[in-house]
Amino acid sequence: RKEVEQDPGPFNVPEGATVAFNCTYSNSASQSFFWYRQDCRKEPKLLMSVYSSGNEDGRFTAQLNRASQYISLLIRDSKLSDSATYLCVVNMNRFQKLVFGTGTRLLVSP
Amino acid sequence: NAGVTQTPKFQVLKTGQSMTLQCAQDMNHEYMSWYRQDPGMGLRLIHYSVGAGITDQGEVPNGYNVSRSTTEDFPLRLLSAAPSQTSVYFCADSNQPQHFGDGTRLSIL
Repeated sequence: RKEVEQDPGPFNVPEGATVAFNCTYSNSASQSFFWYRQDCRKEPKLLMSVYSSGNEDGRFTAQLNRASQYISLLIRDSKLSDSATYLCVVNMNRFQKLVFGTGTRLLVSP
Repeated sequence: NAGVTQTPKFQVLKTGQSMTLQCAQDMNHEYMSWYRQDPGMGLRLIHYSVGAGITDQGEVPNGYNVSRSTTEDFPLRLLSAAPSQTSVYFCADSNQPQHFGDGTRLSIL
């Protein structure tokens, strides 16, 4: 089983739609969780950290479910500029390497 | 890019040639790492360092060497390039969270 698994997509949604991605992780001792965004032929960039209580940043909401070992990302009111690949990232603690999922591709159409 | 500088941005090599990918950061972070990204594979860790003088292997270290003589610099060396090393390489600093350089697109012919 992969350490971090994501549905590769693509998720095709119209502008204004709400879309959600899930990501499962295998190591129950994992402590830190992040969502990164990667545009085509660009470097990954941090979108948001994921906190135990869930957190929101504008149109983006991240949730953590430790019991089921998954994190989620919800995007409301999708914009064309949201089209990208979203990477789920997990690590055990600040001294351990990060583990990246292979990413979920989102395509937002007019 | 949050102070992570990678050079070169593009490089074409012939099989058997050697080269060094440069990575520098100016935020005094202890942790630095190198990844390669291939289609359908996601980011795979090559080597990482938790501080000057300390390096360790990641998931796919074969064919690559690293050193960390200073906090700022973390070069990645390909000793004898092979076509299988054609990839996009990213350097990153910190790990909570990580900030990536622009990437180096490397082709081995």
